Amino acid sequence: EAQVTQNPRYLITVTGKKLTVTCSQNMNHEYMSWYRQDPGLGLRQIYYSMNVEVTDKGDVPEGYKVSRKEKRNFPLILESPSPNQTSLYFCASLTQDNEQFFGPGTRLTVL
Amino acid sequence: GQNIDQPTEMTATEGAIVQINCTYQTSGFNGLFWYQQHAGEAPTFLSYNVLDGLEEKGRFSSFLSRSKGYSYLLLKELQMKDSASYLCAVEDNYGQNFVFGPGTRLSVLP
Repeated sequence: EAQVTQNPRYLITVTGKKLTVTCSQNMNHEYMSWYRQDPGLGLRQIYYSMNVEVTDKGDVPEGYKVSRKEKRNFPLILESPSPNQTSLYFCASLTQDNEQFFGPGTRLTVL
Repeated sequence: GQNIDQPTEMTATEGAIVQINCTYQTSGFNGLFWYQQHAGEAPTFLSYNVLDGLEEKGRFSSFLSRSKGYSYLLLKELQMKDSASYLCAVEDNYGQNFVFGPGTRLSVLP
């Protein structure tokens, strides 16, 4: 089954404790992206990657890092999480027809 | 700057037709997308417009006017399961950066 998976689905952590949210897709898509979704603000793009070893900042990259060492994986790293990074995070990959497949989401709470 | 506007909430009756509007001002334009998102779930793709005009896909249609920076999503024969948020998004032309609107929450009433 074609899918985008994210782990963990839910995470509660404390300020300053480094964390990684994994994202994996099995569709051999070149393009992958991370978004955060906050009430009233909609989805905002954090980082995207057009291919292996190619990453670019989206609209809200501050406080986040990503890596793309292989095509299927695109982890999101928060080196020192802060409460304003409490949000719902979505990973997505893009088909050649420009259709984005979204993962199920990761709900992160930073205390 | 980048700005996409949609109505915050809309209500319609089962069996009716509803039009959800989206206006955008972005630094570039490479296509406009509509997504459906049920509460607590991931967005799912509905439509993609690059050229002006109407794209029809079953009960859903999407219209684009690039000169006016305007799009709408038309939902016909509304069903209760259409109650969801509808997200308008623009792909700018700087390497596939996607900008989303705040979403329109549609409630379908019996």
